[in-house]
Amino acid sequence: DTEVTQTPKHLVMGMTNKKSLKCEQHMGHRAMYWYKQKAKKPPELMFVYSYEKLSINESVPSRFSPECPNSSLLNLHLHALQPEDSALYLCASSQGAQGARAGYTFGSGTRLTVV
Amino acid sequence: DAKTTQPNSMESNEEEPVHLPCNHSTISGTDYIHWYRQLPSQGPEYVIHGLTSNVNNRMASLAIAEDRKSSTLILHRATLRDAAVYYCILRGLGTTGTASKLTFGTGTRLQVTL
Repeated sequence: DTEVTQTPKHLVMGMTNKKSLKCEQHMGHRAMYWYKQKAKKPPELMFVYSYEKLSINESVPSRFSPECPNSSLLNLHLHALQPEDSALYLCASSQGAQGARAGYTFGSGTRLTVV
Repeated sequence: DAKTTQPNSMESNEEEPVHLPCNHSTISGTDYIHWYRQLPSQGPEYVIHGLTSNVNNRMASLAIAEDRKSSTLILHRATLRDAAVYYCILRGLGTTGTASKLTFGTGTRLQVTL
C-alpha cells in the first residue's frame, strides 16, 4: 500500500458544527502532516506529528485540533470554524526525520466548505 | 528552510523536453532539493529529489549545479498530463526523532500545448 487515504473527500459544515477529517497510511511512515491550501495558493503547513507526538504547530488557531491515535492514523478535529477556513486540507506522510532523503506522500485532500 | 525562486509560469509543446529552473542561493550543506508537482484538483505528488549529484527516475531528471545554488527539473518529453504546478523545495534533516518541514513556495505553473 503506497497511498495516503483521506476521508471525507468533501465536507460542508456550519460554523457551530463539530466535524473531523481523517487520514490513514500503511507505509510504516512515522511522520504525518496536515496542510491547508487555499485556491491558487501553495499548501501551507499546519501541524507535524513525529512518532505520534506533535512536533510542530505552525501557530494554528485552536479551533483546529490535531490528533494522532496511532502511527497509521491522523485526525483533524474542527470546531467553530469560520467561512475563511474553507480550503483544501491535505494530509501527508514521510519516513520521519529521514524524510529529507525520501519524498512525502500526499493524500488527495478534503475540500472543506464552512457556511 | 532556505528560500527557492522559480518562474511563475512556463509553456511547452507536447513531446518536447521541458527544463524547469530553480534558484536556491542560500542552500545549506545538508539541504536536499525536492521537487513536487500538483495536478489540478489533486494533492501534491513527489517527483524527484537529490543532494549533490544529478538524479534520474522514471518521471524526470534532476540536474544540480556544482555549487548547488541552482537546479533544473527536466521532463524529457512533456505530455498534456504533465500540466501542473511544479514546486522546488529545500528540505533539511530534522533533529533526531523529529520530522523536518516541507515548505512550499509559489512554484511554476507549466502549460503543455499540442
